[in-house]
Amino acid sequence: DVKVTQSSRYLVKRTGEKVFLECVQDMDHENMFWYRQDPGLGLRLIYFSYDVKMKEKGDIPEGYSVSREKKERFSLILESASTNQTSMYLCASSPILQAWYQETQYFGPGTRLLVL
Amino acid sequence: AQSVTQPDIHITVSEGASLELRCNYSYGATPYLFWYVQSPGQGLQLLLKYFSGDTLVQGIKGFEAEFKRSQSSFNLRKPSVHWSDAAEYFCAVVGNQAGTALIFGKGTTLSVSS
Repeated sequence: DVKVTQSSRYLVKRTGEKVFLECVQDMDHENMFWYRQDPGLGLRLIYFSYDVKMKEKGDIPEGYSVSREKKERFSLILESASTNQTSMYLCASSPILQAWYQETQYFGPGTRLLVL
Repeated sequence: AQSVTQPDIHITVSEGASLELRCNYSYGATPYLFWYVQSPGQGLQLLLKYFSGDTLVQGIKGFEAEFKRSQSSFNLRKPSVHWSDAAEYFCAVVGNQAGTALIFGKGTTLSVSS
């Protein structure tokens, strides 16, 4: 079974802190994703990466950065946390397939972040 | 641009009754569609996916979905709902080129009454 793990289930941080959310997958997937989930808004893509050291902005990258130094690990960084970044953060991974549209994403359990 | 609409924000169904969750998509070419479920406090789990072929797709946990191109729909169904099906359900479509992420609907919350 594919396993995607996230370093914390719950985090409480203060405004202005630098926050790191870690995601690790054990299936040698090339693609990794960070989503933010808010009630009534569904899932919105923050960043994704299709290879080590590669990254692409998603729909809402402002206030976030990412790092992918190793294939299995994809980190989301909140440079200076703000209260409007209080949310559920979901990481996902998928393999690169020749039929790219068949790249099913597998999700981690999520990190619920509260910024005070 | 591609988009996914889930018209129902919240649905309540009696245990044992049938269920249909609606999903409409906007897509220029052949869509590749997914349904995910999220139990409270959990990540998303894939229920089923449609890429091509038979328009009726079987998934896990007794769910199925039917792709109807003429209606731009991919509705999720289950003949008899169990209390453990209470969760949030997301429909998603693949972006229109390689290296793009899924585009999700805003989700439908299912409550099951006894």
